[in-house]
Amino acid sequence: GAGVSQTPSNKVTEKGKYVELRCDPISGHTALYWYRQSLGQGPEFLIYFQGTGAADDSGLPNDRFFAVRPEGSVSTLKIQRTERGDSAVYLCASSLRGAASSYEQYFGPGTRLTVT
Amino acid sequence: GDSVTQMEGPVTLSEEAFLTINCTYTATGYPSLFWYVQYPGEGLQLLLKATKADDKGSNKGFEATYRKETTSFHLEKGSVQVSDSAVYFCALRGNAGNMLTFGGGTRLMVKP
Repeated sequence: GAGVSQTPSNKVTEKGKYVELRCDPISGHTALYWYRQSLGQGPEFLIYFQGTGAADDSGLPNDRFFAVRPEGSVSTLKIQRTERGDSAVYLCASSLRGAASSYEQYFGPGTRLTVT
Repeated sequence: GDSVTQMEGPVTLSEEAFLTINCTYTATGYPSLFWYVQYPGEGLQLLLKATKADDKGSNKGFEATYRKETTSFHLEKGSVQVSDSAVYFCALRGNAGNMLTFGGGTRLMVKP
């Protein structure tokens, strides 16, 4: 079946602009996660959705970052007033259940964001 | 907070050599431990996992044992292949949350 998909695969934007990154999870997966991976580092957690609600947004670096999942499926990560330090690969993952379950997180291919 | 430390790469081996990639962690309680692999041009894939102390995860010839006494989850393979060339990430999921905490990754290069 289809895996996690993310669009766009690459995004180049100018400093100060607004960007939206989209994630389509695996159908039926109720839990959705966003991570950020800077060059040469491991992914870092940003936010976790269980259904439509953000169950844990403790990883969002500041209030320029926001994410939604209005219908409990597709999620959009929104970044306002982008800065060069926001340049990274943004990864989305989904799992059948959240809530400290043992269900595997399946990762998408990522969106590479470059802020010039 | 939770953290994962893994050996820095790159690790360069000849085909059929023995592989060890060290991973240690800091976490409260009893986390679940994972190894993920990222092949060139592909997304992260789960390689193996262990959910409690002394469990051994295994897949594709790779193994790792959850050692609570040493807070370690070292990845091993007896005979690597060129196709194993990739970046390997150790990760944990703590009791308090659902997110994964990753190490910095170790690049493995296997030469024929």
